[in-house]
Amino acid sequence: EAEVAQSPRYKITEKSQAVAFWCDPISGHATLYWYRQILGQGPELLVQFQDESVVDDSQLPKDRFSAERLKGVDSTLKIQPAELGDSAMYLCASTPGLGTAHTQYFGPGTRLTVL
Amino acid sequence: TQLLEQSPQFLSIQEGENLTVYCNSSSVFSSLQWYRQEPGEGPVLLVTVVTGGEVKKLKRLTFQFGDARKDSSLHITAAQTGDTGLYLCAGGRGGGNKLTFGTGTQLKVEL
Repeated sequence: EAEVAQSPRYKITEKSQAVAFWCDPISGHATLYWYRQILGQGPELLVQFQDESVVDDSQLPKDRFSAERLKGVDSTLKIQPAELGDSAMYLCASTPGLGTAHTQYFGPGTRLTVL
Repeated sequence: TQLLEQSPQFLSIQEGENLTVYCNSSSVFSSLQWYRQEPGEGPVLLVTVVTGGEVKKLKRLTFQFGDARKDSSLHITAAQTGDTGLYLCAGGRGGGNKLTFGTGTQLKVEL
């Protein structure tokens, strides 16, 4: 069964350092999402891509966060510099395309701890 | 900002008990999804409801979408330890497939 891949699974860094997360969506899925999830709470959307284009990045803290999906396949989310409040689970999800009620398939996430 | 409020936030019950989780909003959604998430993993879709008043059953789980499409409930009959996890509702609007997730309900089922 096709899955969304994410790496690394865990990342520990010190504040002010740069970190990067990678996501490989299910093959053929045009829409890719990055979410941030605080432990025990619901995920919050950071950025949505349709192919290589950003559809929604209104909740992305652009002073320190950046995301790209250059070839419309895999994607990278970067934080520079990391702050203590960035400690969270970062989830990637994909869907076949735009349209209501599409199932979002989630990867296992990257657990970030900022010390 | 979380537009979908879930209650209760935490629930600890014994195996065999029944429970209901609620998902409420002041906004109308075109679809409502329920996900379950286990520790260290991503959420997994349980069900999607799209019609006001719709009821869907998945074995021991019953999902209902409110008539006005602003709220939903998840009822579990005879809970099992394997039902333990974080339950998330998520509302969808428009054609962009953007989901707004609820605040989450952490369920623990003990023997």
